[in-house]
Amino acid sequence: DAGVIQSPRHEVTEMGQEVTLRCKPISGHDYLFWYRQTMMRGLELLIYFNNNVPIDDSGMPEDRFSAKMPNASFSTLKIQPSEPRDSAVYFCASRKGLPGELFFGEGSRLTVL
Amino acid sequence: QKEVEQNSGPLSVPEGAIASLNCTYSDRGSQSFFWYRQYSGKSPELIMSIYSNGDKEDGRFTAQLNKASQYVSLLIRDSQPSDSATYLCAALLGNQFYFGTGTSLTVIP
Repeated sequence: DAGVIQSPRHEVTEMGQEVTLRCKPISGHDYLFWYRQTMMRGLELLIYFNNNVPIDDSGMPEDRFSAKMPNASFSTLKIQPSEPRDSAVYFCASRKGLPGELFFGEGSRLTVL
Repeated sequence: QKEVEQNSGPLSVPEGAIASLNCTYSDRGSQSFFWYRQYSGKSPELIMSIYSNGDKEDGRFTAQLNKASQYVSLLIRDSQPSDSATYLCAALLGNQFYFGTGTSLTVIP
């Protein structure tokens, strides 16, 4: 079975531009998580979905960040407008129910100039 | 206080030695615990999960859980240079995973 698939793997953009990150979870998994990882703060949970419904978005830094999951096989994380402090690696992860080990995608490395 | 605390290291051990990685958690409601390995520039990869008190062995890896003391550990026997990575401890509380900041391990040939 294919793992969690993320795109793009690398994104370099200029401040103020819109960035869209994409994720396809493992088939059959009903939880999807978006994390951000930086050297300073480690892995931070941004938002997670259960059965396509956002459950907790308290980790989303501010209104510039939004996430959607229109169906069980696709999710997006959008940053508009982007800022240099958004530069990080963004990971999507999925799991199936309980106990439900979490499986990560390869990550999207974002650089905002 | 963070939910999950790890010694950030770095931890260096010679090849063939036992590497011991430790983690503590703050919420007694946490029931499931996981160890992830992350190579530089790569994504976290699950290597062990543990749900009940005691030891769980998988090859060269042993996870230990002590719920009374709220700590989780990972032992790597016969350490290899390929084990050099950052090891992340995670606790599942409700539906959320809480990650430590990771311990950097270097195995010296």
